[in-house]
Amino acid sequence: AQKVTQAQTEISVVEKEDVTLDCVYETRDTTYYLFWYKQPPSGELVFLIRRNSFDEQNEISGRYSWNFQKSTSSFNFTITASQVVDSAVYFCALSEASYGNNRLAFGKGNQVVVIP
Amino acid sequence: DAGVIQSPRHEVTEMGQEVTLRCKPISGHDYLFWYRQTMMRGLELLIYFNNNVPIDDSGMPEDRFSAKMPNASFSTLKIQPSEPRDSAVYFCASSLATAFPEAFFGQGTRLTVV
Repeated sequence: AQKVTQAQTEISVVEKEDVTLDCVYETRDTTYYLFWYKQPPSGELVFLIRRNSFDEQNEISGRYSWNFQKSTSSFNFTITASQVVDSAVYFCALSEASYGNNRLAFGKGNQVVVIP
Repeated sequence: DAGVIQSPRHEVTEMGQEVTLRCKPISGHDYLFWYRQTMMRGLELLIYFNNNVPIDDSGMPEDRFSAKMPNASFSTLKIQPSEPRDSAVYFCASSLATAFPEAFFGQGTRLTVV
């Protein structure tokens, strides 16, 4: 069974500080996908990134960066120079490709509060 | 593209009443998902469809819940009869294909059963 763990429930940072969100996953599949979603106070779920299990290259998009390490089953997310608009709940998710079903298993989320 | 469209955005109903939530997926997407979000349980997958066919409904909590997808552009989630513990935000999402598994979510329906 697929499982995603996000240990930190709420993280508060002062604006311009960096914040890293940890995500640890469990799967028996050799082919899988990892995702991060953002849920701002308005409530919608916004897709941020997808990573394939066979591609461990880290990725940077503006102030966002992701570190994928299969050896530790982790897919961590860093926001650099945080801004108030980054205040949201961030979810890590896993999809196992073997069954071709695209279903996502979500972690419990990290509530990020950026203090101005 | 307009994205995934859900209606209504908010629903308040009395216990015992029937509730129907509606979803229009992104055109061309093969998969459609219904998720429920609560503080206690987080985001749970209720059911998903592939090419309009229900594939896995093991997340549907009880027989009071049912979902249909009569065509590629429309799905419903029905609760009959509704109970206060059904109060939650219900999300519909769609994804393109197996090779593109990222799901795009609607804005959700906030259901309150009193």
